[in-house]
Amino acid sequence: EPEVTQTPSHQVTQMGQEVILRCVPISNHLYFYWYRQILGQKVEFLVSFYNNEISEKSEIFDDQFSVERPDGSNFTLKIRSTKLEDSAMYFCASSRHKNTEAFFGQGTRLTVV
Amino acid sequence: AQTVTQSQPEMSVQEAETVTLSCTYDTSENNYYLFWYKQPPSRQMILVIRQEAYKQQNATENRFSVNFQKAAKSFSLKISDSQLGDTAMYFCAFTSDFGNEKLTFGTGTRLTIIP
Repeated sequence: EPEVTQTPSHQVTQMGQEVILRCVPISNHLYFYWYRQILGQKVEFLVSFYNNEISEKSEIFDDQFSVERPDGSNFTLKIRSTKLEDSAMYFCASSRHKNTEAFFGQGTRLTVV
Repeated sequence: AQTVTQSQPEMSVQEAETVTLSCTYDTSENNYYLFWYKQPPSRQMILVIRQEAYKQQNATENRFSVNFQKAAKSFSLKISDSQLGDTAMYFCAFTSDFGNEKLTFGTGTRLTIIP
């Protein structure tokens, strides 16, 4: 069964460092998303990506964040200069069509120290 | 802006019993989609069930069913014959049919199935 895969599963980084979280969405999906979940809190939308551009982003997704689909298979989230409050679980998701089931990856736990 | 509210932070039930998780939402739109996602200790988000707002019939998936009350903006999840593997966080989520595709999640209900 096709699945969304994320790497790494856990990343520890020093405050101020850049991190890139990687995702491989399901191959015939057209919509891609990043969500985050701070420990013990709800899942929050960061950004959606369709047709090679951002279709929507939340207020959390400030200038420190960027997304790319560099090669037609990978979908990356970059945080330019990490802050302590960026520590969270980051989920990538993809869907075939708008409003159909979004398949989530297993998440990347980011710890900023 | 849409909001999703889950008023039960934690619930527990004996194995084989039936449990109902509550969810209410707020929207001014007429067409939208509602979901229940399960997050077991592994932290992966797994879709449990999906409901289109234009469908009057409640969705069912094996032991999982919903009670969708559009006028009341209520979307509860019923788990019948609960199993130990049902122990997880359950999130209710909403997405609009118009414009954006993002999911708006509730705060979740931690469900524990007691052997």
